Amino acid sequence: EAQVTQNPRYLITVTGKKLTVTCSQNMNHEYMSWYRQDPGLGLRQIYYSMNVEVTDKGDVPEGYKVSRKEKRNFPLILESPSPNQTSLYFCASSFTGFSNQPQHFGDGTRLSIL
Amino acid sequence: GDSVTQMEGPVTLSEEAFLTINCTYTATGYPSLFWYVQYPGEGLQLLLKATKADDKGSNKGFEATYRKETTSFHLEKGSVQVSDSAVYFCALSIASNTGKLIFGQGTTLQVKP
Repeated sequence: EAQVTQNPRYLITVTGKKLTVTCSQNMNHEYMSWYRQDPGLGLRQIYYSMNVEVTDKGDVPEGYKVSRKEKRNFPLILESPSPNQTSLYFCASSFTGFSNQPQHFGDGTRLSIL
Repeated sequence: GDSVTQMEGPVTLSEEAFLTINCTYTATGYPSLFWYVQYPGEGLQLLLKATKADDKGSNKGFEATYRKETTSFHLEKGSVQVSDSAVYFCALSIASNTGKLIFGQGTTLQVKP
């Protein structure tokens, strides 16, 4: 089954404790992206990757890091999480980054930073 | 900058009622337009898309037409069901290869039996 898998689905942690949210897709997609969803704001892009070893900032990259060492994986790293990063996070992928390509989303990771 | 504005929710309808969720956009160039649906506890799923002016996207009884003259992409369904209860997001993708989707704030639809 074609899917985007995120882990963990839920995490409660404390300020400053490094964490990683994993994302893996099995569709051989070149393009992957991370979004955060906050009430009243819709989804906003954090980082994206056009292909292996190619990443770039989205609209809200502060406090986050990513890497793309393999085509299927695109982890999101919070080196020193803060309470304002409490949010619902989604990983997405598509065949390419062209504008007419629909994106496939994971089920989300709900992070609570205390 | 590029943006999407959706009608505020929540929208509450009775089963078999007609649904319209308004979406307007601001964009440079010629964006592709999408509607995504999010069921409780799940990720977003593509509902329909349109990639050029006057295109009509349709799926599962939902329709939306890309109106360049009014910069709109309103979602409609003739007869909603309880199972349509979800959050609906209008989004655009600008004509570049960054792949970024720009989302509206989402509209919650609740359908009552």
